Amino acid sequence: QSVLTQPPSASGTPGQRVTISCSGSSSNIGSNTVNWYQQLPGTAPKLLIYSNNKRPSGVPDRFSGSKSGTSASLAISGLQSEDEADYYCAVWDDSLKGVVFGGGTKLTVL
Amino acid sequence: QVQLQQSGPGLVKPSQTLSLTCAISGDSVSSNSAAWIWIRQSPSRGLEWLGRTYYRSKWYYEYGASVKSRITINPDTSKNQFSLQLNSVTPEDTAVYYCARDPYIDVWGKGTTVTVSS
Repeated sequence: QSVLTQPPSASGTPGQRVTISCSGSSSNIGSNTVNWYQQLPGTAPKLLIYSNNKRPSGVPDRFSGSKSGTSASLAISGLQSEDEADYYCAVWDDSLKGVVFGGGTKLTVL
Repeated sequence: QVQLQQSGPGLVKPSQTLSLTCAISGDSVSSNSAAWIWIRQSPSRGLEWLGRTYYRSKWYYEYGASVKSRITINPDTSKNQFSLQLNSVTPEDTAVYYCARDPYIDVWGKGTTVTVSS
């Protein structure tokens, strides 16, 4: 069982906006910044959002992140078929003294 | 552009040592602003942070609790690379192993599928 809790699945139709949640605790999300990753089948995860809400160069502004208390969210607007992938949140945990990941959310574009 | 090139065997026997290497291009293993990480991914355990090494006037090593007694991550400044050694492996250590760069885990190697089997 992962330290960070994500819904196992999410779905939407092209053009829709979907949100993926990530729930943690005071020792991780409550005190550190959250990163989000996108993983396409058979490839390594790719950094999508860092420091809660910043996008690396090349990531479309359709992707956005937010954090409140011990939870974080990834929002994808204008959903496209190529967004179909697994999404993971990650954050440093002060108690475990290491990075912890969510269990991942499989996004399906209907 | 920073790239990480992984190498190492894909099959390890139970009780033996898993050894992987990650060669860095476009950055330095001795960078004062980066850390060098190993992560693994399996269907049963998901993504699991194994540990990291970094240089801030001296070398630091931090390991995940689940593997702390069996893991060593070593930098090699002469070859600009870092390595993972995991001792006394069992089938539970079967996974895809990734090397990566901190902060933000923004650069990843392609991954090495390691199977622990006799």
